[in-house]
Amino acid sequence: DIQMTQSPSSLSASVGDRVTITCRASQYISTSLNWYQQKSGQAPKLLIYSVSTLQSGVPSRFSGSGSGTHFTLTISSLRPEDFATYYCQQTYSVPSMNTFGQGTKLEI
Amino acid sequence: QVQLVESGGGVVRPGRSLRLSCAASGFTFSKYAMHWVRQAPGKGLEWVAVISYDGSNKYYADFAKGRFTTSRDNSKNTFYLQMISLRDDDTAVYYCVRDPKGSSTSWMYFDSWGQGTLVTVSS
Repeated sequence: DIQMTQSPSSLSASVGDRVTITCRASQYISTSLNWYQQKSGQAPKLLIYSVSTLQSGVPSRFSGSGSGTHFTLTISSLRPEDFATYYCQQTYSVPSMNTFGQGTKLEI
Repeated sequence: QVQLVESGGGVVRPGRSLRLSCAASGFTFSKYAMHWVRQAPGKGLEWVAVISYDGSNKYYADFAKGRFTTSRDNSKNTFYLQMISLRDDDTAVYYCVRDPKGSSTSWMYFDSWGQGTLVTVSS
């Protein structure tokens, strides 16, 4: 099974900061990589799919890049509403229990 | 708009059973694969099961095999998760999730999530 590892597990930042979260796959996953945002007490929300395509309604300060095994989610200028937990997901080798990374908690 | 509404969660004793339901609306339910994803308190997301658009194919996470069964009724726009022999570590919020691809073996992304239903397994 492919393992998805996010780093860091938690991150402290301030409003206006540029933040990058990394997701590494234990094997090649092409561009089958998605990102989700989960705010406290809410269901996850799809942010980015296929590495870099923003889901409808997602602000352009979010961007994704990478291919193969190394991927990043970047928030160009943090806003208060961006403080949340972010998960990457591979959909290259499925069905898989390990489709999600362990999450990165972005805190003030 | 797309809506997924889970129900059926609650407190149950270890070893007992529970059936979760997910009512879908706002889209052509019969065209989409559907997944269950769970989240234990304070933990990350964990995929549970998937069912293809027509219900013909289903796959389960290892922990769910033999204990959980997913099904769907496209005439009712509803999706189910039957859970038996529940254990303490099944305690989680269970989310019903839509995948734009109809296949259970080729996933795209999870573009719509229900609000979740909490299952608590405790004696």
